[in-house]
Amino acid sequence: EPEVTQTPSHQVTQMGQEVILRCVPISNHLYFYWYRQILGQKVEFLVSFYNNEISEKSEIFDDQFSVERPDGSNFTLKIRSTKLEDSAMYFCASSDGTSGRQETQYFGPGTRLLVL
Amino acid sequence: AQSVTQLGSHVSVSEGALVLLRCNYSSSVPPYLFWYVQYPNQGLQLLLKYTSAATLVKGINGFEAEFKKSETSFHLTKPSAHMSDAAEYFCAEGRRALTFGSGTRLQVQP
Repeated sequence: EPEVTQTPSHQVTQMGQEVILRCVPISNHLYFYWYRQILGQKVEFLVSFYNNEISEKSEIFDDQFSVERPDGSNFTLKIRSTKLEDSAMYFCASSDGTSGRQETQYFGPGTRLLVL
Repeated sequence: AQSVTQLGSHVSVSEGALVLLRCNYSSSVPPYLFWYVQYPNQGLQLLLKYTSAATLVKGINGFEAEFKKSETSFHLTKPSAHMSDAAEYFCAEGRRALTFGSGTRLQVQP
């Protein structure tokens, strides 16, 4: 069964450093998403991406965040200058974008980011 | 703004007992509703989704949920809990930008 994959599974970085989180969405999917879950808190939407551009973003997704689809398979989330409060589990998801009410977002296993 | 409320951050049941996890949504238009499950150290797996075809939705692993517009609820049930059901369960609403509830951790006692 096709699945969303994410690398790395864990990343530790120093405050102020740039990090890139990588995702490989399901191959025929058209919409891609990033969510985050701060420890003990809700899963929060960050951004959705369609047709090589951001289709929707939350207020969390400020100028320090960016997303890119550098090739036909990868989808990345870049955090330019990490802050302590960026420590969280980051989930990538994808959906086929064609099914209307049948559409489902499929989630990857997550990348746990720790900013020291 | 949409909101999703899950009553009870922790629910504990005995093996074989009924599981009831509560979810209320706020959308005033026909909602897109989902239940996801998260097992330890894993991602979110879809249990079921409301598509408006039927108010009672059957999902994987014996779970089902009933959409009640009058109560703005989408509670998740399973007639008989199994030890393997122990996990965190999230209710979510939305088309693209999903809004999640705070989650309910289900414990199943032997």
